[in-house]
Amino acid sequence: AQSVTQLGSHVSVSEGALVLLRCNYSSSVPPYLFWYVQYPNQGLQLLLKYTSAATLVKGINGFEAEFKKSETSFHLTKPSAHMSDAAEYFCAVKPQGGSEKLVFGKGTKLTVNP
Amino acid sequence: NAGVTQTPKFRVLKTGQSMTLLCAQDMNHEYMYWYRQDPGMGLRLIHYSVGEGTTAKGEVPDGYNVSRLKKQNFLLGLESAAPSQTSVYFCASSWNGTGNTEAFFGQGTRLTVV
Repeated sequence: AQSVTQLGSHVSVSEGALVLLRCNYSSSVPPYLFWYVQYPNQGLQLLLKYTSAATLVKGINGFEAEFKKSETSFHLTKPSAHMSDAAEYFCAVKPQGGSEKLVFGKGTKLTVNP
Repeated sequence: NAGVTQTPKFRVLKTGQSMTLLCAQDMNHEYMYWYRQDPGMGLRLIHYSVGEGTTAKGEVPDGYNVSRLKKQNFLLGLESAAPSQTSVYFCASSWNGTGNTEAFFGQGTRLTVV
């Protein structure tokens, strides 16, 4: 079964520092890939998704993710962290071939220190 | 445009009581999903529906039932609540389940079973 691994349940960065949140998927055929963000006491909001049109995907709020097939990864980055980026981030996958189900990683909680 | 609306937002149940969580979407989406979110576990799929009148089991369906009598509504029922069902429940919907179609999430229902 398709699975997704997020390395690091908690990541802490200083304001202005690079944000790097890691996501690896398990299948040999690249799935559809998504990053969602969850602010405290809210639902999930789509940050970006991989469409196979380009390996570097730009999302909202200055985030981007790079798809690397050789590494089965879809890591999320932002060049300069802002206090408002503090949230929990979820990587999710949907296998190619018609599956209806979105499978989530366990999440990474990002803390931004002043 | 309300998107995905969940009611109630909070609920406390006693063990053995029953309740129904309501999810309504106004985007004319075909697919709807119920997830539960527990600390360190990410989001796990309980049940989902690929259209009006259809339902299917997800990863953790035991103890829950669902119904999709109308396209815009997806109900999640707990017939006899247990403390293990204490969680935050999220409903989501999408145009369809294939490809890179993203899911839109409600704000969540925080359920405590005592």
